[in-house]
Amino acid sequence: DIVMTQSPDSLAVSLGERATINCKSSRSIFYSSNNKNYLAWFKQKPGQPPQVLIYWASIRESGVPDRFNGSGSGTDFTLTIDNLQAEDVAIYYCQQYYESLFTFGPGTKVEIK
Amino acid sequence: EVQLVESGGGLVQAGGSLRLSCAASGFPFSNYWMSWVRQAPGKGLEWVANIRQNGGESERYYVDSVKGRFTISRDNGKNSLFLQMNSLRVEDTATYYCARKGDGRVDHWGQGVVVTVSS
Repeated sequence: DIVMTQSPDSLAVSLGERATINCKSSRSIFYSSNNKNYLAWFKQKPGQPPQVLIYWASIRESGVPDRFNGSGSGTDFTLTIDNLQAEDVAIYYCQQYYESLFTFGPGTKVEIK
Repeated sequence: EVQLVESGGGLVQAGGSLRLSCAASGFPFSNYWMSWVRQAPGKGLEWVANIRQNGGESERYYVDSVKGRFTISRDNGKNSLFLQMNSLRVEDTATYYCARKGDGRVDHWGQGVVVTVSS
């Protein structure tokens, strides 16, 4: 199974500043035949199901603010939240769908400083 | 509008069984992979099982911790997804989400159903 790790475990960012979350897969999740990285980012607030933000590592889901950006390839990926807003307080998860059984990272908690 | 509505959760003793259901609507159910994902209280997300469109035995995938105990299945004629959970353990206590896999990513989730396994 592909193991996903994230860093940091948590971070506190001032309103209007940038939050950066890193995600690493235990092996490459880049499929060369279609030039795609099989990685998604989710946001979850307490008591709610997760919400997809980014897929194919860098494609923003419809309706997601352009403050959210995904980057990276192979085994190393980053989610960047620019101009952090109060409603961005949540836990963020990366997830691979390269294999038939998907796996999540452990999550990164984002708070306001 | 895509809707996924889970049911069948509850309290069960360790060693018991439960069957979760997910009623899907608003999309051509038979065209999509479907999944069950769980979240233990205060913990992160864990993928439990996937099932491809046709749902044959070779098209079902499980996390190691539930292999041999849980069975994912689907009824495309009734737009329904199921998770049969046997030999339940205390560590299976979680909110279980039904989810649809779209273009690569999971793009829709149910609200979840709570399963509590007591010792």
